[in-house]
Amino acid sequence: QVQLVESGGGLVKPGGSLRLSCAASGFTFSDYYMSWIRQAPGKGLEWVSYISSSSSYTNYADSVKGRFTISRDNAKNSLYLQMNSLRAEDTAVYYCARFTISYYYMDVWGKGTTVTVSS
Amino acid sequence: QSALTQPPSASGSPGQSVTISCTGTSSDVGGYNYVSWYQQHPGKAPKLMIYEVSKRPSGVPDRFSGSKSGNTASLTVSGLQAEDEADYYCSSYAGSNIDVVFGGGTKLTVL
Repeated sequence: QVQLVESGGGLVKPGGSLRLSCAASGFTFSDYYMSWIRQAPGKGLEWVSYISSSSSYTNYADSVKGRFTISRDNAKNSLYLQMNSLRAEDTAVYYCARFTISYYYMDVWGKGTTVTVSS
Repeated sequence: QSALTQPPSASGSPGQSVTISCTGTSSDVGGYNYVSWYQQHPGKAPKLMIYEVSKRPSGVPDRFSGSKSGNTASLTVSGLQAEDEADYYCSSYAGSNIDVVFGGGTKLTVL
């Protein structure tokens, strides 16, 4: 079945780095845009970034621009999020999701991975 | 502060209907028919319930419906059931720079 599984979350100190991964299965990964969305504890959803199917186009929320980098490896059916210069306000559950760029919705979501930024 | 405004809470009794609003501007909700709605149960991942304002993905009950008027989109849940109790988030395209914006979420309680 169609599935997304995130990994790589954990506890990191402010200013540190972390790389999240998302393994896709059950669909042709290389045909789809992909995105990252996060949810701070007790808060709502916040779109973080998306990447085109061929990696030729990326976009980021202003809150992470210049610090986070989205990438993908279609041969490995995997999506990544490199997070640098982490701040306390980056603490959240990070979800990867399949993104339909034509109509701007996310139709498949992973279960999320938790990132905690604290000293 | 979220880009789209939703009421923090809504409630209804089993069998009743409830409508959740999502207010934006002419730069997002009002400017495009790219409004989607997501259901999230506690500790779970969000689930797509409505896309393109009023379309339902396969498997979503027809008790869920979406609409839009001007800068406000709405999600209506008819024939409320206990399992509908969850948080609901709206989302919209907001132009090429911002791309995707979410509402702050509405906690739906089935009384």
